[in-house]
Amino acid sequence: AQSVTQLDSHVSVSEGTPVLLRCNYSSSYSPSLFWYVQHPNKGLQLLLKYTSAATLVKGINGFEAEFKKSETSFHLTKPSAHMSDAAEYFCVVTVKAAGNKLTFGGGTRVLVKP
Amino acid sequence: NAGVTQTPKFRVLKTGQSMTLLCAQDMNHEYMYWYRQDPGMGLRLIHYSVGEGTTAKGEVPDGYNVSRLKKQNFLLGLESAAPSQTSVYFCASRGSGANVLTFGAGSRLTVL
Repeated sequence: AQSVTQLDSHVSVSEGTPVLLRCNYSSSYSPSLFWYVQHPNKGLQLLLKYTSAATLVKGINGFEAEFKKSETSFHLTKPSAHMSDAAEYFCVVTVKAAGNKLTFGGGTRVLVKP
Repeated sequence: NAGVTQTPKFRVLKTGQSMTLLCAQDMNHEYMYWYRQDPGMGLRLIHYSVGEGTTAKGEVPDGYNVSRLKKQNFLLGLESAAPSQTSVYFCASRGSGANVLTFGAGSRLTVL
């Protein structure tokens, strides 16, 4: 079985300050991990993915995430928040051995203050 | 290239009414999915399809039916809507060799 927990349901940051969104996962097999972003009234868009290559993954819009197997974490960061980063972010885990079933975290809503 | 298109975008139903949500993709993807999104619960899989003519149950299939008569279309039906089915519904698809989903923009359904 696999699961994913996003540790913060809401994160509030000031524009220009760093963003950290925390994600922990559980999986019996080697996982693939993703971060998706959902802007208001839009569908989900892929930010980045980890699929067992480099543990530090760079995505779109200046985001990156680091896969840490020892901590079973895949936290998402950005050095400097922009107003356009205000959205909901989902951490997702999938395992090939489980038929590539995707399991979503509960989401983290990011508010960016001017 | 439209990607994944969902219709309708909004709908209000009364309890007991029926309706169908349509998902169309133009990427020749084999796999298609229907999810529902509720606050604090992420996305939960309702039904999915691994190819034309096939469907399978996801985590929360009760009260929904699906059909995949054509490869590009995946229909989600509610035979007798209930207030608990008030949600935002997302369709997604992916190719057979990929594990990244392409999502539609969502369909907001309210059941009174």
